[in-house]
Amino acid sequence: AQSVSQHNHHVILSEAASLELGCNYSYGGTVNLFWYVQYPGQHLQLLLKYFSGDPLVKGIKGFEAEFIKSKFSFNLRKPSVQWSDTAEYFCAVNAGGTGGSYIPTFGRGTSLIVHP
Amino acid sequence: GAGVSQSPSNKVTEKGKDVELRCDPISGHTALYWYRQRLGQGLEFLIYFQGNSAPDKSGLPSDRFSAERTGESVSTLTIQRTQQEDSAVYLCASSLSSSYNEQFFGPGTRLTVL
Repeated sequence: AQSVSQHNHHVILSEAASLELGCNYSYGGTVNLFWYVQYPGQHLQLLLKYFSGDPLVKGIKGFEAEFIKSKFSFNLRKPSVQWSDTAEYFCAVNAGGTGGSYIPTFGRGTSLIVHP
Repeated sequence: GAGVSQSPSNKVTEKGKDVELRCDPISGHTALYWYRQRLGQGLEFLIYFQGNSAPDKSGLPSDRFSAERTGESVSTLTIQRTQQEDSAVYLCASSLSSSYNEQFFGPGTRLTVL
């Protein structure tokens, strides 16, 4: 079975600080990896995704994530956060090949608050 | 449609009543998912549809929960004899297919059981 751990449940930063949110998963096969974001009062939306290829993935609004297969990790990063990045961030994983579940498994989420 | 829509946006009900939640996926999306999100928790998978069939119902918490999908479009999630622990936001998502699995989420239905 797949599982996802997000280690930081609450993160508080000042504007211009650097951000790294941890995400580790457990699944032995090929995976597809996602970060979703939920801004206050808005729907969950896709921030970035990894299916294959370059393990460093760039998403919207200056976010990036790096897939490190040996560490089963897909950490989200941003060099300089803005107040508008205040949101809930969810990591998700599902099996990318046959034999696993296409149903994405979501982490518990990380609440990010950025102070102006 | 332009996005996934859900109705109602808010539902307050009394314990023991039945409720029906509706999801309209993006036109052409064959895969549809229901999740439950309790306060401060992650997304809890409930059920998944591919077309009109539900190959995975493993997340439904009890037999009080059921869902159907007709015409490869609208889906309804029904909760019978609601309990206070059913209070949560119920999210619906759709994707182009189960193997192309970027999901597009609706705004959710906030269910409060008194």
